[in-house]
Amino acid sequence: SQQGEEDPQALSIQEGENATMNCSYKTSINNLQWYRQNSGRGLVHLILIRSNEREKHSGRLRVTLDTSKKSSSLLITASRAADTASYFCATDRRSWGKLQFGAGTQVVVTP
Amino acid sequence: GAVVSQHPSRVICKSGTSVKIECRSLDFQATTMFWYRQFPKKSLMLMATSNEGSKATYEQGVEKDKFLINHASLTLSTLTVTSAHPEDSSFYICSARDPVGARQETQYFGPGTRLLVL
Repeated sequence: SQQGEEDPQALSIQEGENATMNCSYKTSINNLQWYRQNSGRGLVHLILIRSNEREKHSGRLRVTLDTSKKSSSLLITASRAADTASYFCATDRRSWGKLQFGAGTQVVVTP
Repeated sequence: GAVVSQHPSRVICKSGTSVKIECRSLDFQATTMFWYRQFPKKSLMLMATSNEGSKATYEQGVEKDKFLINHASLTLSTLTVTSAHPEDSSFYICSARDPVGARQETQYFGPGTRLLVL
């Protein structure tokens, strides 16, 4: 069963703008991870946030986690055309590596 | 960072044939690998956990006789789609974790294998 649900399903922005996408999940987790997938390709790991963490940064990426609301957000600042991709959240309930993926958000950044 | 490869990247086969997909960890040893399936414009669905030297653990609803998994070494797991049918057409992706690396919880994904069954 799918653990995470993401919104929006699709997002179209211009270069330089920020992109925010959200992920909600249903059960308790050990960590939550965000991945990027370019069309027809494999997944690239972006950032991992543990259940005892509230916010993490990596370059232009900012991830928040609210375990009380069972939700996470991914913010991409100053977006670039190269950020065009699908973004997925994935939850790991017991840190065993069995990831449950959300539906994904398709982001298009236009020059 | 750790690298995971898959072979082949794309395969077209006739209905009824079997197809083997390889997943290799190139610069680390992976006692556990994972196999996912992705339909067009959809999310990834975990199919099974591949354990080196032991039987794979399948997720509910995944037919173990249909999707045979073998993890014969610490760097190789194979997924064989047996007697493939058009509904098996999909994008299959494997992943692995580096158990001794600094980022042990991070999963490294292969580039995926696109299977088309005619």
